[in-house]
Amino acid sequence: GAVVSQHPSWVICKSGTSVKIECRSLDFQATTMFWYRQFPKQSLMLMATSNEGSKATYEQGVEKDKFLINHASLTLSTLTVTSAHPEDSSFYICSARPPGTGNSPLHFGNGTRLTVT
Amino acid sequence: QKEVEQNSGPLSVPEGAIASLNCTYSDRGSQSFFWYRQYSGKSPELIMSIYSNGDKEDGRFTAQLNKASQYVSLLIRDSQPSDSATYLCAAHEYNFNKFYFGSGTKLNVKP
Repeated sequence: GAVVSQHPSWVICKSGTSVKIECRSLDFQATTMFWYRQFPKQSLMLMATSNEGSKATYEQGVEKDKFLINHASLTLSTLTVTSAHPEDSSFYICSARPPGTGNSPLHFGNGTRLTVT
Repeated sequence: QKEVEQNSGPLSVPEGAIASLNCTYSDRGSQSFFWYRQYSGKSPELIMSIYSNGDKEDGRFTAQLNKASQYVSLLIRDSQPSDSATYLCAAHEYNFNKFYFGSGTKLNVKP
């Protein structure tokens, strides 16, 4: 159980275009999903917390107008990188945790490797 | 600043040995702790969860938690080359529902 699916697994786009990444919880409902970014040989950096039916909460330094998050249902959150630039090239990973006890762990999607040329 | 600290390594151990990975955290509000394994180019996968002081064993893995010392560790017995990866320690702060990750310890298990 607790499967999180992320799509696409990799994407190459040209500078200035937008890219949408989908994150789905397949066997549980997630009122909250978390979006992380990881640059090579660095740790996970939390970008934002996606909340179903309300606005996402962004971490300090993350541009909310550039990284648009939509959490329209209890099983789907999307991250759109708008007007992507080469410095946005990174590994984007979504995660969610099953509801219930406060101790449930985060489960991660397989990640999306974004390359902006 | 709520932090989770790990030695970046690399930690090198011979095959069959015990690998010991350590983690400290600064937020006493953290209540749940997790170890994730991340292979290069892949997303993290959950290895162990621990919530109470003491040891928790699962196969070759043992997690240890000492809340008074704000210390979490992971022991891997009979280390295998396939255990070579980066191990991430995470703490969950219940009130704010946030997970804080360490920078990870790279483990190399030499055949």
